[in-house]
Amino acid sequence: DGGITQSPKYLFRKEGQNVTLSCEQNLNHDAMYWYRQDPGQGLRLIYYSQIVNDFQKGDIAEGYSVSREKKESFPLTVTSAQKNPTAFYLCATNLRTLDQPQHFGDGTRLSIL
Amino acid sequence: QKEVEQNSGPLSVPEGAIASLNCTYSDRGSQSFFWYRQYSGKSPELIMFIYSNGDKEDGRFTAQLNKASQYVSLLIRDSQPSDSATYLCAVNIPMEYGNKLVFGAGTILRVKS
Repeated sequence: DGGITQSPKYLFRKEGQNVTLSCEQNLNHDAMYWYRQDPGQGLRLIYYSQIVNDFQKGDIAEGYSVSREKKESFPLTVTSAQKNPTAFYLCATNLRTLDQPQHFGDGTRLSIL
Repeated sequence: QKEVEQNSGPLSVPEGAIASLNCTYSDRGSQSFFWYRQYSGKSPELIMFIYSNGDKEDGRFTAQLNKASQYVSLLIRDSQPSDSATYLCAVNIPMEYGNKLVFGAGTILRVKS
């Protein structure tokens, strides 16, 4: 089945803990993105990657880290430095051209214990 | 000024009516524009994209773009209760490394049967 798979669907973080959100795609898309959505707000870009082994900070990268070791995978780590991590996290992908629309995974909802 | 602005709503329309959703953007260099639908608790789903001035129709949906006035709109004809959702306007902004999709906060649409 083709698509974008995010896991887990729900995640709880303890104080001082790092947690990693998974995003895998089998669409052969070059570009991958991580967004954060807070209630009543639009999506804000955390990190993005256009090619393997390269990624760029988005608008709200502080307290987050990513890696892009494989084309299919773009995991996001929410570190203990992110003091307000409770949000809906969305991974998106698209072909590496400017006009192509982004498509989203089902999201991970992260809460603090 | 926010990069992408939408009226938060809610916009209430009766079943069968036309729903009109509007969006303005600030970056005159933007070249591609997207409308996403997001049901409560779910991830955004692409419903329309438009690149050129004028209208683009797809079934019951029509996207309208006016680059001179920097607005993009979405018309939904014959609105159905299942159209009740939050509609996100997104504008593609070229960057040094790839492109960035900037989202509005969304307009809540309620279709009453």
